[in-house]
Amino acid sequence: QITLKESGPTLVKPTQTLTLTCTFSGFSLSTTGVGVGWIRQPPGKALEWLALIYWDDEKRYSPSLKSRLTLTKDTSRNQVILTMTNIDPVDTATYYCAHGFGGVIGFDYWGQGTLVTVSS
Amino acid sequence: QSVLTQPPSVSAAPGQKVTISCSGSSSNIGNNYVSWYQQLPGTAPKLLISDNNKRPSGIPDRLSGSKSGTSATLGITGLQTGDEADYYCGTWDSSLSAWVFGGGTKLTVL
Repeated sequence: QITLKESGPTLVKPTQTLTLTCTFSGFSLSTTGVGVGWIRQPPGKALEWLALIYWDDEKRYSPSLKSRLTLTKDTSRNQVILTMTNIDPVDTATYYCAHGFGGVIGFDYWGQGTLVTVSS
Repeated sequence: QSVLTQPPSVSAAPGQKVTISCSGSSSNIGNNYVSWYQQLPGTAPKLLISDNNKRPSGIPDRLSGSKSGTSATLGITGLQTGDEADYYCGTWDSSLSAWVFGGGTKLTVL
């Protein structure tokens, strides 16, 4: 059974760096075709894709956020870590990580999400 | 402004059928698989349709997906009050090298 869970701070001050961890089970990020994506959703707004890491360590980032995002993976600990620099109140959102399949043609398992509030 | 365009809202009566459209371009829908997600209030999105028209295990056959050119459609028949949710389409955009979602459609079952 595939599960994912996001963890990290719930409150971050503007200009700080946000670090979120996705801890997963039930699959290996070394398996061909698998990926882990990060998606966020500001309160009352639509889903916004942020980043994606593939089984071969290839990474893709949202063009609008690319300069602020970094993805790393720890295969042995089954974790994917997202770092976002220079946080702003507009980054307040629920952040989800999700399992991507088939070379990442979709996301079939999602974490419960973690709400991050950016405020001084 | 989302790369994929969805109607903000749709509504229909219980038992009826509804369709939700998702319009894109050749760089996304036109040349990549589309997936659809349901998000019930306060919960994480759930995959409903993958590969344009495939239902994952456990998704009832009253849900269907189709794609034609640069547009995709989600269909739901036999509407139930439990179908009230936000629905999102998503796909890869080859020009942006980015995953893109639609702006979401709120389904109301009257």
